[in-house]
Amino acid sequence: QQQVKQSPQSLIVQKGGISIINCAYENTAFDYFPWYQQFPGKGPALLIAIRPDVSEKKEGRFTISFNKSAKQFSLHIMDSQPGDSATYFCAAIKAAGNKLTFGGGTRVLVKP
Amino acid sequence: NAGVTQTPKFRILKIGQSMTLQCTQDMNHNYMYWYRQDPGMGLKLIYYSVGAGITDKGEVPNGYNVSRSTTEDFPLRLELAAPSQTSVYFCASRTGGHQQPQHFGDGTRLSIL
Repeated sequence: QQQVKQSPQSLIVQKGGISIINCAYENTAFDYFPWYQQFPGKGPALLIAIRPDVSEKKEGRFTISFNKSAKQFSLHIMDSQPGDSATYFCAAIKAAGNKLTFGGGTRVLVKP
Repeated sequence: NAGVTQTPKFRILKIGQSMTLQCTQDMNHNYMYWYRQDPGMGLKLIYYSVGAGITDKGEVPNGYNVSRSTTEDFPLRLELAAPSQTSVYFCASRTGGHQQPQHFGDGTRLSIL
């Protein structure tokens, strides 16, 4: 049972464009939503995270938008750069939880 | 500060062989995790540990075993390797608090032929 659904599986964007990745969750017990970035040959690394009492969080060119009523959240990469080409995973965890539930991942390719 | 170190980086096994994937962390983290990532797929949790002496199953534990005798080390054992276990294996750790980030190693690429 996939509790966090991520889309699209892959996307191609031109340099300077906006990349948008969407995630939806089912379990209302989730209370923390991180995004991880993974470059080829490397392990994932935390990129940005949000709590459900916040509707938006921005760090540089990366923004998370959160819609608690719809149980959806998304990652926006503004002014996408070739160096942003990576796989992005959304995730969720319950309060005091031991383990993350990951989405299926989105492979982003930014063309120069 | 090395973080999470996994060895080996690559390994080829024959069907039926056994091996141990090593994972060690130097951050004194209580929580440790093993994931597998199949090509083009997401991360699936195999086993995890909340502290020395305590382990628990994740989504896909069949065919694997773990132990956690120290805070630093969390080895993953494959007893009878099968082609379906061909994957990239990642170890991760985190400190207490569910909002703390997981720190991943760079993975072990395992092929079973």
